[in-house]
Amino acid sequence: DQQVKQNSPSLSVQEGRISILNCDYTNSMFDYFLWYKKYPAEGPTFLISISSIKDKNEDGRFTVFLNKSAKHLSLHIVPSQPGDSAVYFCAASAMGNGMRFGAGTRLTVKP
Amino acid sequence: GAGVSQSPSNKVTEKGKDVELRCDPISGHTALYWYRQSLGQGLEFLIYFQGNSAPDKSGLPSDRFSAERTGGSVSTLTIQRTQQEDSAVYLCASSFDRGGGYTFGSGTRLTVV
Repeated sequence: DQQVKQNSPSLSVQEGRISILNCDYTNSMFDYFLWYKKYPAEGPTFLISISSIKDKNEDGRFTVFLNKSAKHLSLHIVPSQPGDSAVYFCAASAMGNGMRFGAGTRLTVKP
Repeated sequence: GAGVSQSPSNKVTEKGKDVELRCDPISGHTALYWYRQSLGQGLEFLIYFQGNSAPDKSGLPSDRFSAERTGGSVSTLTIQRTQQEDSAVYLCASSFDRGGGYTFGSGTRLTVV
């Protein structure tokens, strides 16, 4: 069951511009949301998270926005850098249950 | 150890054989996950261990898959009678709590021929 959906398999942006990665979820019990970044042949690395009691969390160039009513979250990267090129996974968890991941969005930042 | 360690890093097995994949989580981490990533697919949840609670096995695709976590530390994922569709990268992750995200291992690439 696809409880977490990333509908854009790929995204290409110019260096210096904003990258916006989107994620939708269906399970209203999810109360913690995370973004992971994955390079080829490596495990995913944690990027940023947000709890359901907040609607925004910022860490440097990365900001995650949560819209609970729409069951939607997004990751903004600004300014985008070529080193940001990777696959980005959205994940969501409910207390006591396994964390579910979206299918990922491949971001390419062009110099 | 400093990170999550998985072994073997690569495994080629014949269809129908059993395989065991091992995960050594970060010391002190109470939560442990197994995921798999098939070619071109996202991360598929398999099983979740949290402390002494009953594991969340809802992601295991069939009864050929099982996992144990001994002493709240090392975990073993066992796949019996492997099939070609089991070929994937199997990732293990551990965490102290949900807040800071999980640390993933580098995965075991399983190829069933």
